[in-house]
Amino acid sequence: AQTVTQSQPEMSVQEAETVTLSCTYDTSESDYYLFWYKQPPSRQMILVIRQEAYKQQNATENRFSVNFQKAAKSFSLKISDSQLGDAAIYFCAYRKGYGGSQGNLIFGKGTKLSVKP
Amino acid sequence: GAGVSQSPSNKVTEKGKDVELRCDPISGHTALYWYRQSLGQGLEFLIYFQGNSAPDKSGLPSDRFSAERTGGSVSTLTIQRTQQEDSAVYLCASSPPPSGRADTQYFGPGTRLTVL
Repeated sequence: AQTVTQSQPEMSVQEAETVTLSCTYDTSESDYYLFWYKQPPSRQMILVIRQEAYKQQNATENRFSVNFQKAAKSFSLKISDSQLGDAAIYFCAYRKGYGGSQGNLIFGKGTKLSVKP
Repeated sequence: GAGVSQSPSNKVTEKGKDVELRCDPISGHTALYWYRQSLGQGLEFLIYFQGNSAPDKSGLPSDRFSAERTGGSVSTLTIQRTQQEDSAVYLCASSPPPSGRADTQYFGPGTRLTVL
């Protein structure tokens, strides 16, 4: 069975600085997708960034980027120029294939990120 | 456009009662997912609907849980004879038709269920 591990229950960063959140996963599949979602106190899960396993290039979305190491099964999230609005719980998620019964996400336990002014 | 909506936002019930949680997916989305978020278990997949296909119920924790999706749109998650361990936030997500790869799931705000 696939598993997702986030080893940092809590992290803290100073406003305007950079922070990296760690995620490792275990799978025997070759075709899968990885996601980072954030969940602010409003409870709304918001997609931050996604990565297709077949792509070697790391995904970037504005201040958010990932370091995808397929052989090491590692998928870390870097947040640059941290802002107060980045404070949330960040979930790493895995999904194998696409469509059909392969569609559900498997989540890590989350990392609670605090941003200090 | 409108996102995924869920109702009620919060639900308090007594042990042994039945509850119904509703999810309205984004218009045009063919896939709909239910997840449960609890302190002890984190985020768990419950059930998945894709178009008119039979749902994937592999994540439902017991036969007290059931879900239906009417007309390929609105979904209702029903929990019968609620127990205190059912207390959690129930999240619904929808995603567009498979168009190649990595259909993104868009989440609703969740329903917080408290069983007294």
